Amino acid sequence: GAVVSQHPSRVICKSGTSVKIECRSLDFQATTMFWYRQFPKQSLMLMATSNEGSKATYEQGVEKDKFLINHASLTLSTLTVTSAHPEDSSFYICSARETSGNEKLFFGSGTQLSVL
Amino acid sequence: SQQGEEDPQALSIQEGENATMNCSYKTSINNLQWYRQNSGRGLVHLILIRSNEREKHSGRLRVTLDTSKKSSSLLITASRAADTASYFCATDVNNNDMRFGAGTRLTVKP
Repeated sequence: GAVVSQHPSRVICKSGTSVKIECRSLDFQATTMFWYRQFPKQSLMLMATSNEGSKATYEQGVEKDKFLINHASLTLSTLTVTSAHPEDSSFYICSARETSGNEKLFFGSGTQLSVL
Repeated sequence: SQQGEEDPQALSIQEGENATMNCSYKTSINNLQWYRQNSGRGLVHLILIRSNEREKHSGRLRVTLDTSKKSSSLLITASRAADTASYFCATDVNNNDMRFGAGTRLTVKP
């Protein structure tokens, strides 16, 4: 099946720094990618929908200036957590659908962000 | 926001037993999907059932869908220790809006 690669898998940073997370579709093109946040033992909360070549669509309550999303190509979307604070510590996961319209989502392996 | 609720929240069974997880949702859907997540990892797609289907099988997995009750169930037969994971249902409302349930944490004891 299709593969989505997400890096880094784990990052520890100081409060106030920015962290960039990459999500790549390795063997397919993805016009749309999704970014989720997950707290321990809880479900995935959709943060935003990343659209290639256009602005991301953010869910209600998600700060656009805090979580910058860039989808510059059909195989790469990035999420930048700007001026990270301890409350931003969480597990972030991306997913993508194949451009062919496959209804399944293919997920990255997730990034565990810890802000000290 | 989350679409569905799953129950039970946690399920612990012995190897060889069957595990049943339920999912309820609120809005009309195009399809419903089940995913599995190992601890600290991404999700893996298990099975998709469309709104006009009532039951679907894939290996040891059996999924049912009742659109009148807005509910689905996932049955894993002859469970194995390797089935230990969290299982999530996800509803596809308009192909760009997938919502995940709260998940069921399954533990299969060897």
